[in-house]
Amino acid sequence: DGGITQSPKYLFRKEGQNVTLSCEQNLNHDAMYWYRQDPGQGLRLIYYSQIVNDFQKGDIAEGYSVSREKKESFPLTVTSAQKNPTAFYLCASSPAGKNTGELFFGEGSRLTVL
Amino acid sequence: AQKITQTQPGMFVQEKEAVTLDCTYDTSDQSYGLFWYKQPSSGEMIFLIYQGSYDEQNATEGRYSLNFQKARKSANLVISASQLGDSAMYFCAMRGSYNFNKFYFGSGTKLNVKP
Repeated sequence: DGGITQSPKYLFRKEGQNVTLSCEQNLNHDAMYWYRQDPGQGLRLIYYSQIVNDFQKGDIAEGYSVSREKKESFPLTVTSAQKNPTAFYLCASSPAGKNTGELFFGEGSRLTVL
Repeated sequence: AQKITQTQPGMFVQEKEAVTLDCTYDTSDQSYGLFWYKQPSSGEMIFLIYQGSYDEQNATEGRYSLNFQKARKSANLVISASQLGDSAMYFCAMRGSYNFNKFYFGSGTKLNVKP
């Protein structure tokens, strides 16, 4: 079935370590997104990409990095520069080029820094 | 600037009753899309309903309907005949036309359905 796969679902990291969250989609969508969600809060945009080899910063990009080498893949690296990385991370995709397509989400990755 | 406001952090509703979750938005775009998502405690985001800014009819999807009042810039979600499984966080979102690949989310409303 078509969808978005995020891995790992749960991740523990020591302070000072970088960690990469995987996001793969087989929906043939051009646009992909990373959101961060803190407990009881809404979604905040970290990065988004409208096309391969191109991406834009969202509202809270500091301490994060992304790449978009393939249409299907949009990995997120949480670097040691991110001061408070413990959060729930959601990857999403949508058809680009129109404002009627909804966001399709993965099941999320929960990162805990020990 | 685009902004979505949800003023109800939490709400309670009795099972089988209807409930309205408020959403107002701010945009200078002429064309935009409005969306509602449900997030159960498992964390997944479930798309519920979509309303286009030029749609004359209010959107409906089963027990969900969107009360769209363009002049007031509101897009309230109405859930009819609430069920226990409706207990979740609900987010309102908007997609504009100037940067149509960017979505804006509200802070969410936590709905609790009481038996």
